Amino acid sequence: KAGVTQTPRYLIKTRGQQVTLSCSPISGHRSVSWYQQTPGQGLQFLFEYFSETQRNKGNFPGRFSGRQFSNSRSEMNVSTLELGDSALYLCASSPDGAGNQPQHFGDGTRLSIL
Amino acid sequence: QKEVEQNSGPLSVPEGAIASLNCTYSDRVSQSFFWYRQYSGKSPELIMSIYSNGDKEDGRFTAQLNKASQYVSLLIRDSQPSDSATYLCAVNMAAGNKLTFGGGTRVLVKP
Repeated sequence: KAGVTQTPRYLIKTRGQQVTLSCSPISGHRSVSWYQQTPGQGLQFLFEYFSETQRNKGNFPGRFSGRQFSNSRSEMNVSTLELGDSALYLCASSPDGAGNQPQHFGDGTRLSIL
Repeated sequence: QKEVEQNSGPLSVPEGAIASLNCTYSDRVSQSFFWYRQYSGKSPELIMSIYSNGDKEDGRFTAQLNKASQYVSLLIRDSQPSDSATYLCAVNMAAGNKLTFGGGTRVLVKP
């Protein structure tokens, strides 16, 4: 069974630009969550999508947004990039939205802002 | 106070010994607890999940949960150099899938 697939693996952007990251969950998984990992703040929850609806949201500014498609694939978008947005962005999927099943992570997208 | 707390380490253990990692959490209603292992430059990999009080064993790993004390731990028996990594404690504190992570404990297993 293929794991969680994130594209691209690496991205370099400049301040003020916007970026879109993509995530394909494990086949059959319907819940997709996004996390940001930085050396200073660790792993922080961004948002969760289930059945094309955002169900949970972390404490990030509105520049961070996402969506989920009918095939459960998800994208996240960051607009007006700032230097502090440099991070590893991780996507995780789980079978459903119950919260009592483990989330499995993709390899992440490493975003660097110049 | 952080919602999920771990000792950052490094926790240095000799090869073959037991590594003991601890994690405390603040939300009493949390129901789902997970341990992930993360190698440098890689993404987190699920090791264990635990949902009820007591011990849960899987190979060389044992997770322990005490909801009254808001405490979850991970034991790694017969530690190997390949176990050297950062171990992340994660707690699902909300409806749905929203994991709150501790800062991680770095483990170094010395041959």
